[in-house]
Amino acid sequence: AQSVTQLDSQVPVFEEAPVELRCNYSSSVSVYLFWYVQYPNQGLQLLLKYLSGSTLVKGINGFEAEFNKSQTSFHLRKPSVHISDTAEYFCAVTRQTGANNLFFGTGTRLTVIP
Amino acid sequence: DAGITQSPRHKVTETGTPVTLRCHQTENHRYMYWYRQDPGHGLRLIHYSYGVKDTDKGEVSDGYSVSRSKTEDFLLTLESATSSQTSVYFCAISVGGSTYEQYFGPGTRLTVT
Repeated sequence: AQSVTQLDSQVPVFEEAPVELRCNYSSSVSVYLFWYVQYPNQGLQLLLKYLSGSTLVKGINGFEAEFNKSQTSFHLRKPSVHISDTAEYFCAVTRQTGANNLFFGTGTRLTVIP
Repeated sequence: DAGITQSPRHKVTETGTPVTLRCHQTENHRYMYWYRQDPGHGLRLIHYSYGVKDTDKGEVSDGYSVSRSKTEDFLLTLESATSSQTSVYFCAISVGGSTYEQYFGPGTRLTVT
């Protein structure tokens, strides 16, 4: 089975500072990787995805992530955060073939400080 | 907006009572999913459906059943609710002919007292 570890449960950062949210995955087969964002009292919104090709993936709201197969990581980054980025972020993985159920990490709460 | 609605959005019920949550989609997607979200656990898959009357278990299916009699509706039933089933429940669909890119509904907050 696949699993995801999000190393930081909470990340406080000052407005306009850069941020990195860490995600490591475990799988014996090839995978697809995703980042979702959840704003307070809302459902999850797809932020970006890695399916194949370039290991640097750009998503919505200025976020990007880099797939590193050797380190089994998929860290999310933004060069300059805004107050509106305050939310919970989930990393998710699914296998490329067979049953494609998503496995989620436990989430990282990003708090942007004015 | 993937056209997913969930009802009810909030519900408080007593231990031992049956509860049914409804997920409705407007775009005839084949795959639908039910997740629960709990602090410290992220989202965990309860059941999923890959067509009308075709369902399968997920990671945390004990105590839950599902039904899908129409493409647009996916029902999640707690036959006898327990306090451990207090959670936020999310429905999701897969789009684009794949099963991996999922879009989520707004959620149902269920409290079992």
